[in-house]
Amino acid sequence: QSVLTQPPSVSGAPGQRVTISCTGSSSNIGTVYDVHWYQQLPGAAPKYVISGNTNRPSGVPDRFSGSKSGTSASLAITGLQAEDEADYYCQCYDTSLSGYVFGTGTKVTVL
Amino acid sequence: QITLKESGPTLVKPTQTLTLTCSFSGFSLTTSGAGVGWIRQPPGKALEWLAVIYWDDIKRYSASLKSRLTITKDTSKNQVVLTLTNMDPVDTATYFCAHRLGASSTGGAFDVWGLGTLVAVSS
Repeated sequence: QSVLTQPPSVSGAPGQRVTISCTGSSSNIGTVYDVHWYQQLPGAAPKYVISGNTNRPSGVPDRFSGSKSGTSASLAITGLQAEDEADYYCQCYDTSLSGYVFGTGTKVTVL
Repeated sequence: QITLKESGPTLVKPTQTLTLTCSFSGFSLTTSGAGVGWIRQPPGKALEWLAVIYWDDIKRYSASLKSRLTITKDTSKNQVVLTLTNMDPVDTATYFCAHRLGASSTGGAFDVWGLGTLVAVSS
């Protein structure tokens, strides 16, 4: 159902770097519309962690970074910490659907 | 400080209509660019966007659920109401409302979320 594809899971040891990809199409990520990222801790509401492809909202640690190229985007977490263990979702606007789309979600596990 | 809170029934029967209310503070839906969206998440599954309403009363709906969804706003009460007709057990999910951060009636992000409300569909 989701039009943005993410890997189901990624993992890394504390201190390592992990990246999460988000693959879309020419009607969403490939447009002028930004990609945004959310972190969802177990049992909690999603939290906005990357704004407008690359920006961090106030209070988000600088170990979180985002990028966008063509019809894909990615989220990187450097210096992985135990508290980063969560589900992560990308989101964009889709011009063909005239609505918002979320990614399939990625579970980050800290080994 | 923007806050949102969802309210509504925790249990509905199949074929019934679900009505959820999002009560918010810290912004006005009369301000240019403002918007409120609804997103749901079935247990153990991904987020699914449902609908959004903007300050200019433009409404957008998920293509797959458009025939069953209605979103309205009451600016005097700072509330947004979502209705979903003909409920089915597959509609069991946590329903979130969220503030849409943006400048126009397209695009943008959901920067502040309510805690969500779990709705079960069962006879």
